[in-house]
Amino acid sequence: QKEVEQNSGPLSVPEGAIASLNCTYSDRGSQSFFWYRQYSGKSPELIMFIYSNGDKEDGRFTAQLNKASQYVSLLIRDSQPSDSATYLCAVRSTGRRALTFGSGTRLQVQP
Amino acid sequence: GAVVSQHPSWVICKSGTSVKIECRSLDFQATTMFWYRQFPKQSLMLMATSNEGSKATYEQGVEKDKFLINHASLTLSTLTVTSAHPEDSSFYICSATLRDRADTGELFFGEGSRLTVL
Repeated sequence: QKEVEQNSGPLSVPEGAIASLNCTYSDRGSQSFFWYRQYSGKSPELIMFIYSNGDKEDGRFTAQLNKASQYVSLLIRDSQPSDSATYLCAVRSTGRRALTFGSGTRLQVQP
Repeated sequence: GAVVSQHPSWVICKSGTSVKIECRSLDFQATTMFWYRQFPKQSLMLMATSNEGSKATYEQGVEKDKFLINHASLTLSTLTVTSAHPEDSSFYICSATLRDRADTGELFFGEGSRLTVL
């Protein structure tokens, strides 16, 4: 079982729609959860992080965390073509300083 | 703040040669830096944790004699790929964390270095 799992996609949504990206993790003791966006050929850039159960909103982005279900998601409202990228879920597992990344979900926003 | 600069952004070399990649924290001191590798259409895989003034900690399966990491100052870590072979062709990315955000684990990434070994 992979430590961090994501559906590779592609997830295709029309412009203006809500994109929902999901991630599950195996280490129940994980403390911090991150969403990064990566454009092709570029390094990841942080969108937001969350470490408490519930929702956290930042502009068009909302991260949701459910530790009991070991599930974290990212909602992107009013999706734009510029949101088309690979979205990486990352987890800080127990006893580790580095982040463990999922394989990423490729999002395509159709104009 | 929290800018991490990586150089070179891309490099092509012949098989058997060595390549050095530099990672600098421009506006903060990074006591710890992390080196990741990413193959096409795959995720970032942690190679090693670089600690200023001490030996790097390598992940299982990563050859420490092949991937030499030096973290001689609080703003510079280097990764040297020794005797590179075509299978070492990859996207190498360094990252660092701010000391006051060490608890959350938030990472700031360099621009990445794409290595192609012919």
